Amino acid sequence: NAGVTQTPKFRILKIGQSMTLQCTQDMNHNYMYWYRQDPGMGLKLIYYSVGAGITDKGEVPNGYNVSRSTTEDFPLRLELAAPSQTSVYFCASRFSGTPGGQDTQYFGPGTRLTVL
Amino acid sequence: AQTVTQSQPEMSVQEAETVTLSCTYDTSESDYYLFWYKQPPSRQMILVIRQEAYKQQNATENRFSVNFQKAAKSFSLKISDSQLGDAAMYFCAFWGRAGNMLTFGGGTRLMVKP
Repeated sequence: NAGVTQTPKFRILKIGQSMTLQCTQDMNHNYMYWYRQDPGMGLKLIYYSVGAGITDKGEVPNGYNVSRSTTEDFPLRLELAAPSQTSVYFCASRFSGTPGGQDTQYFGPGTRLTVL
Repeated sequence: AQTVTQSQPEMSVQEAETVTLSCTYDTSESDYYLFWYKQPPSRQMILVIRQEAYKQQNATENRFSVNFQKAAKSFSLKISDSQLGDAAMYFCAFWGRAGNMLTFGGGTRLMVKP
């Protein structure tokens, strides 16, 4: 049971390039999340998904896109990378049987992205 | 919208001593959860402790305990018998049943002196 895995661990992009951050969970969780953490700050929610085929915006969605075609995978797409997207990106997942129900969020190890 | 405030950017504690990290939050919801997460240099986010707002009893996990004051909207973390491995960033986080996101505070960096 690997939990939440993210690839790559590190990446350097040039301004204007695009890339996809991968996130996979093997816990059959229905909810999945993408956060970013800027230096010295807490995490901010980019996008989340309540199940396959359903996604919604968080606090800071601009410049990103997501899709959720399977329960396990929740990739985050950066189009036209900008220096402001330099950050550490965390994927997380949780299981909830009822709307608004709560269980622990499990986090992946993070991806450090630098845009130059 | 909820806000979470951690007023101590850095704290320092002697090994084996006790330290308390502060957190306040603002919400209009009555049903919510509060969390403390630890982030060591590895960057992994590790759940330390959680508190359901409807529970009056303060949560405890081994050397970690909270002081939850619902009326004051305060949620502090006490670490007893501090160990070198406790050195990390600590984030307070809020989850309301009306929303679908964790709201994080800005973090407190804890240093443990041998």
